[in-house]
Amino acid sequence: NAGVTQTPKFQVLKTGQSMTLQCAQDMNHNSMYWYRQDPGMGLRLIYYSASEGTTDKGEVPNGYNVSRLNKREFSLRLESAAPSQTSVYFCASSESWGDNEQFFGPGTRLTVL
Amino acid sequence: AQTVTQSQPEMSVQEAETVTLSCTYDTSESDYYLFWYKQPPSRQMILVIRQEAYKQQNATENRFSVNFQKAAKSFSLKISDSQLGDAAMYFCAYTYMNRDDKIIFGKGTRLHILP
Repeated sequence: NAGVTQTPKFQVLKTGQSMTLQCAQDMNHNSMYWYRQDPGMGLRLIYYSASEGTTDKGEVPNGYNVSRLNKREFSLRLESAAPSQTSVYFCASSESWGDNEQFFGPGTRLTVL
Repeated sequence: AQTVTQSQPEMSVQEAETVTLSCTYDTSESDYYLFWYKQPPSRQMILVIRQEAYKQQNATENRFSVNFQKAAKSFSLKISDSQLGDAAMYFCAYTYMNRDDKIIFGKGTRLHILP
């Protein structure tokens, strides 16, 4: 039982390049989330997926797109990376009913030059 | 709107001493969860302790305990017998109960343990 996994762990991009961050969970959770963490800002929600087949914008969705590929996987795509997207990205998952405890992946450190 | 406030950006405590991290929140809901998460240098987010708002008894997990004051909307974390491994960022968080909704985090408190 690996919990929540994310790839890659580190990535450096040039401005304008695109990339996809992958996230998978093996806990059969319905809900999945993407956050970014910046110094002094805490965690900010980018997008979330309450259940398979649905996605919704969070607090800071601009410049990102997501895909809930299936119940296990939830990817985050940067179509044209900008230096302002330099951050640490966390994926998380949770049960959809009752318990709203979220389980986090190890994070991806992204640098955009 | 729901908000979570951690007023202490950084704190230091001597090893083996006790430290309390503050958290206040604002909500109009009556049923919700509160959490404390720990983020060590490895960046993994680890759930330390959680509290259901309908429970009057304060949650305890080994050396970690909370002081939950619902009327005051306060949720502080007490770490007893501090250890070097407790050094980390600590995030207070709030989420609704029984809803598919997001979790709201404070900005975090960086805790230093002095040997």
